[in-house]
Amino acid sequence: DVKVTQSSRYLVKRTGEKVFLECVQDMDHENMFWYRQDPGLGLRLIYFSYDVKMKEKGDIPEGYSVSREKKERFSLILESASTNQTSMYLCASRPVKALPGEQYFGPGTRLTVT
Amino acid sequence: AQTVTQSQPEMSVQEAETVTLSCTYDTSENNYYLFWYKQPPSRQMILVIRQEAYKQQNATENRFSVNFQKAAKSFSLKISDSQLGDTAMYFCAFTFGNEKLTFGTGTRLTIIP
Repeated sequence: DVKVTQSSRYLVKRTGEKVFLECVQDMDHENMFWYRQDPGLGLRLIYFSYDVKMKEKGDIPEGYSVSREKKERFSLILESASTNQTSMYLCASRPVKALPGEQYFGPGTRLTVT
Repeated sequence: AQTVTQSQPEMSVQEAETVTLSCTYDTSENNYYLFWYKQPPSRQMILVIRQEAYKQQNATENRFSVNFQKAAKSFSLKISDSQLGDTAMYFCAFTFGNEKLTFGTGTRLTIIP
């Protein structure tokens, strides 16, 4: 079974803090993704990566950055957390041999910024 | 930009009944991929079923099947013999074939014992 893990299920941070969300996958998948999930908005793509040290902006990259130093690990960074970044964050991965859009998701991190 | 619309925010159905979740999308492209994802309460999102637009035959995975109407840009999910474990949030999603997957806003489905 593919396993995508995220470092925390719940996280509470203060406005202005630098926040790191970590994601690890154990199936040697090439592509990795970060989404945020908000009620009534579905999932929106923040960033994705198709290789180590490579990244592409998604639909809502503002206020976020990412890092992929190793193939199995993809980090989402909030440089200066704000209350409007309170959300559920989902990581996903995809092997290139799978259909585009066929992704494996982690359990999510519910981030609260106060 | 493509959009995906799920017009039913919430649905409920008795166990063992059949339920259909609707999804429409907007695109001018001819080749694309459609998906239904399931997110059970407090559990990971998983892929339920996939459809390639160039295939006319509707996809089926056990109790889950789709009704893909390309001209109408409609992609509904039918769950037969519904079970308590089907209780979840269901998302319809679309991609042209690049890495950008566009999701609908979701339908919360409750199966009533």
